[in-house]
Amino acid sequence: DGGITQSPKYLFRKEGQNVTLSCEQNLNHDAMYWYRQDPGQGLRLIYYSQIVNDFQKGDIAEGYSVSREKKESFPLTVTSAQKNPTAFYLCASSIGRGAGTEAFFGQGTRLTVV
Amino acid sequence: AQKVTQAQTEISVVEKEDVTLDCVYETRDTTYYLFWYKQPPSGELVFLIRRNSFDEQNEISGRYSWNFQKSTSSFNFTITASQVVDSAVYFCALISYSSASKIIFGSGTRLSIRP
Repeated sequence: DGGITQSPKYLFRKEGQNVTLSCEQNLNHDAMYWYRQDPGQGLRLIYYSQIVNDFQKGDIAEGYSVSREKKESFPLTVTSAQKNPTAFYLCASSIGRGAGTEAFFGQGTRLTVV
Repeated sequence: AQKVTQAQTEISVVEKEDVTLDCVYETRDTTYYLFWYKQPPSGELVFLIRRNSFDEQNEISGRYSWNFQKSTSSFNFTITASQVVDSAVYFCALISYSSASKIIFGSGTRLSIRP
């Protein structure tokens, strides 16, 4: 089945540690996104990528890093520089630039700093 | 600048009532796309509808309908005869052609349908 897979579903991290969230899609989409959602809040864009080996910062990129070495994969690393990383993280993909098509979302990763 | 505003933070209605969720957008582009998504308690966002800026026809899908008005920059969503299963957070979103693939979301409206 085609779709977006995020793993793990729940993740616990100690303060000061980096952690990487996985996002894989088999929809042959060019564009991929990472959003952060805090309780009772909307979605804020962290990073997005329109094509392999290229990505742009979103509105809250500080303390995060990404890579896009393969079309199918867009991992997000939450670094120790992120002051308040506990949140729900959503990955999405869409066909890409100019297409104006809908984005498809993964099931999310809930990150908790302990 | 592009922006999506969902002024209603929370709405609670009794089952079978009709309810309208408001969405107001801002963009300088003439080509843009608007979306509605549903986020049930499980967390995954579910796509509901897409509308491009050149198509102002309203759309109806079962109990759901959407009213797109460029004159007021609004893209409102109405649920007729609401059901408990409609309880969720609903997001309105915008892609403007000049900003490539960047999707801008509103802050969401939490809809609660009481039995």
